[in-house]
Amino acid sequence: GAVVSQHPSRVICKSGTSVKIECRSLDFQATTMFWYRQFPKKSLMLMATSNEGSKATYEQGVEKDKFLINHASLTLSTLTVTSAHPEDSSFYICSARPWTANTEAFFGQGTRLTVV
Amino acid sequence: TQLLEQSPQFLSIQEGENLTVYCNSSSVFSSLQWYRQEPGEGPVLLVTVVTGGEVKKLKRLTFQFGDARKDSSLHITAAQPGDTGLYLCGRIENYGQNFVFGPGTRLSVLP
Repeated sequence: GAVVSQHPSRVICKSGTSVKIECRSLDFQATTMFWYRQFPKKSLMLMATSNEGSKATYEQGVEKDKFLINHASLTLSTLTVTSAHPEDSSFYICSARPWTANTEAFFGQGTRLTVV
Repeated sequence: TQLLEQSPQFLSIQEGENLTVYCNSSSVFSSLQWYRQEPGEGPVLLVTVVTGGEVKKLKRLTFQFGDARKDSSLHITAAQPGDTGLYLCGRIENYGQNFVFGPGTRLSVLP
């Protein structure tokens, strides 16, 4: 299957600082990338959908100024958690949909964010 | 966004047992994906089903897509501890612009 690399896998930051998470499709071009948040023992909650070169579309209840998403190329999307607070601590996962496929997407390994 | 339902939410079985988990929606799927996620990892795609009535096998896993394309099932034969994980069904909607998941079935296979 196609490979999506997410970095970092773990990050600890202080309250008030910002953290950037990268999502790269390594062997395919991704027109669309998705960002999810996952709480312990829960399913994936879609936060936003980003298309290359366009502004991200955020799900209801997700603060776009808090979670900045940039999709500057067909292989890279970034999620920046700004002014992080302890309640932002979570597991964040990205996925990428190949531009050749409307039916499948592939996931990164996830990023465990801890805000202290 | 159409909701996906999965059942059961939790399942704990002994090694060697068989099990089936389900994914349902009130609307028709154009396609459906099944994923398995292990703790601390991202979901891994197992299969995509597209055609009503379709059956796909992946070693001890059998995936079926309902004739009306509103439901799907995953059957595991002779479960092993390595099958433990969160099983998610998901689908891409809106011409690839939304990718949503069901709540998942958390499977635990005890040795």
